[in-house]
Amino acid sequence: EVQLVESGGGLVQPGGSLRLSCAASGFTFSSYWMSWVRQAPGKGLEWVANIKQGGSEKYYVDSVKGRFTISRDDAKNSLYLQMNSLRAEDTAVYYCARAHSTSSSIFDYWGQGTLVTVSS
Amino acid sequence: DIVMTQSPDSLAVSLGERATINCKSSQSVLYSSNNKDYLGWYQQKPGQAPKLLIYWASTRESGVPDRFSGSGSGTDFTLTISSLQAEDVAVYYCQQYYSTPLTFGGGTKVEIK
Repeated sequence: EVQLVESGGGLVQPGGSLRLSCAASGFTFSSYWMSWVRQAPGKGLEWVANIKQGGSEKYYVDSVKGRFTISRDDAKNSLYLQMNSLRAEDTAVYYCARAHSTSSSIFDYWGQGTLVTVSS
Repeated sequence: DIVMTQSPDSLAVSLGERATINCKSSQSVLYSSNNKDYLGWYQQKPGQAPKLLIYWASTRESGVPDRFSGSGSGTDFTLTISSLQAEDVAVYYCQQYYSTPLTFGGGTKVEIK
């Protein structure tokens, strides 16, 4: 059974940093593109970043470029999101999502999400 | 960036009746080299993560009931629930994966009338 379990969320002050983790199991993690998608409270979905198998390609939404870094450790079946210079508008539930086998950018499995709250 | 616009924002449908959700992209998401539309649909129930329903605009994901269907091409797409069930109450999102940044529609909330 495919499972994605996020961790690392919490309350952080504006300008602070946080590192999210996503532990994957039930599939060959190294064979899939992976993404982070976020959802602000009561709002819609926003794609944040994705990373290719092996980590050779990474893409970001403009609003997080230069502040967030996506990475992966295929030996540990884990996906990460390093978030620096956090802003109030980064407050959201952050989901880890696996890309469908037919495309790098549509998502067939999602974690349960981890809440990041940026507030003083 | 490709902007995805969904309509309506919400709709109430009687049990067993048809529900239709529209999604329009600001530019075509049809890739000419393979003739595929890079458009998907998700269902999100309260307190849950999104669930993939449809990809390539009309291909149903494994395990998704056949009352869910997707149609359209280019810039205009539709998700149809042919006979609404109580468990279909949710917010539905379209997503383009033609280009980065990947973008979602604003969502359509489906309720029971």
